[in-house]
Amino acid sequence: GENVEQHPSTLSVQEGDSAVIKCTYSDSASNYFPWYKQELGKRPQLIIDIRSNVGEKKDQRIAVTLNKTAKHFSLHITETQPEDSAVYFCAASSNDYKLSFGAGTTVTVRA
Amino acid sequence: DAGVIQSPRHEVTEMGQEVTLRCKPISGHDYLFWYRQTMMRGLELLIYFNNNVPIDDSGMPEDRFSAKMPNASFSTLKIQPSEPRDSAVYFCASSFSLYGYTFGSGTRLTVV
Repeated sequence: GENVEQHPSTLSVQEGDSAVIKCTYSDSASNYFPWYKQELGKRPQLIIDIRSNVGEKKDQRIAVTLNKTAKHFSLHITETQPEDSAVYFCAASSNDYKLSFGAGTTVTVRA
Repeated sequence: DAGVIQSPRHEVTEMGQEVTLRCKPISGHDYLFWYRQTMMRGLELLIYFNNNVPIDDSGMPEDRFSAKMPNASFSTLKIQPSEPRDSAVYFCASSFSLYGYTFGSGTRLTVV
């Protein structure tokens, strides 16, 4: 099955700086890569996703890049704000619709 | 739309008791997933359904766990008998094909 590894496990950034989270996956058939944000005590919420036919996608301050050859994808958050503090999960799926999640990155934005 | 609705939000039960978790997916979604979240193991897929039919239950930890989806608007996850190691947050999620899951608010289960 798919194995998704996520790094780092924790990330502390100064407000206004950028945050980058990286994930690798094992199944070359995977073609869908979403990112979820989970605030303390809340549900995971989809923030951005990318499919294998594109290399980059951007939505305001967040962007995701995908390198299918190397089997890795990354989340970039620019101009971080305190409300960006949360746990972020990457995930990968092939056509069987199962999402395999990374272990999560706890992001802390220091004011 | 009210989103994915799970009940109860919290459940505390004694070891050996039966526990039933409930989920109402978003109307029109054809996939329903049950996940378990713990600090040690993260988000684990337990089972998922497509059009009410179980597709993959390989993540169900053992025979004490069972899940049903009798119709498009309701699913249950049952643990019988429950054990302390089953303590976790259980999430239900639904999706329309592969357009991103929407998670419910989760059920925090504590087995004492």
